[in-house]
Amino acid sequence: SQQGEEDPQALSIQEGENATMNCSYKTSINNLQWYRQNSGRGLVHLILIRSNEREKHSGRLRVTLDTSKKSSSLLITASRAADTASYFCATAKTGSARQLTFGSGTQLTVLP
Amino acid sequence: NAGVTQTPKFQVLKTGQSMTLQCAQDMNHNSMYWYRQDPGMGLRLIYYSASEGTTDKGEVPNGYNVSRLNKREFSLRLESAAPSQTSVYFCASSSDGFSGNTIYFGEGSWLTVV
Repeated sequence: SQQGEEDPQALSIQEGENATMNCSYKTSINNLQWYRQNSGRGLVHLILIRSNEREKHSGRLRVTLDTSKKSSSLLITASRAADTASYFCATAKTGSARQLTFGSGTQLTVLP
Repeated sequence: NAGVTQTPKFQVLKTGQSMTLQCAQDMNHNSMYWYRQDPGMGLRLIYYSASEGTTDKGEVPNGYNVSRLNKREFSLRLESAAPSQTSVYFCASSSDGFSGNTIYFGEGSWLTVV
């Protein structure tokens, strides 16, 4: 079963717009991470947010975490065509920190 | 800057054949992992190794075996391949589990079982 589920499954926007992806999960977590995957490539780590954090920034990325709602969001500001990729959230469960569970991903397409 | 290297990149197997996917990392990481990625299902953990000499089952271990040969290398073996094992396989590593460390992924191995 998937611990994290991303929403929407697919998102298409124009270059320069902001892209928001959401992730919901089911159990208590130690941390939540976001990864990016370009077509035909491996996953690349973007950002990690711990369970005691509510918001984190990294460049054009902003991640929020609401543990009461068991949800997270990833915001990419001023999107570029090069941001086109699949984005996955992954959760490390409390007490099972070695088992990182991935969602099924959001396919983001940024149109030039 | 090799990072995590896995081979082969592509492989076609007949049902019942065996093969080993090789993985090596040059970052001196303690933990290594094997995931499979199927369309629409994200990544699922097959096996992981928290340190040299130890291995543990993940979410979908059936049909696979692993060997942590040394700190650098972690191999995944399919003893008798089945069509259900057609997938993209990713090896990954991290310095110390998932508790707050970045996981680095290889580029993937595309396996088709016919």
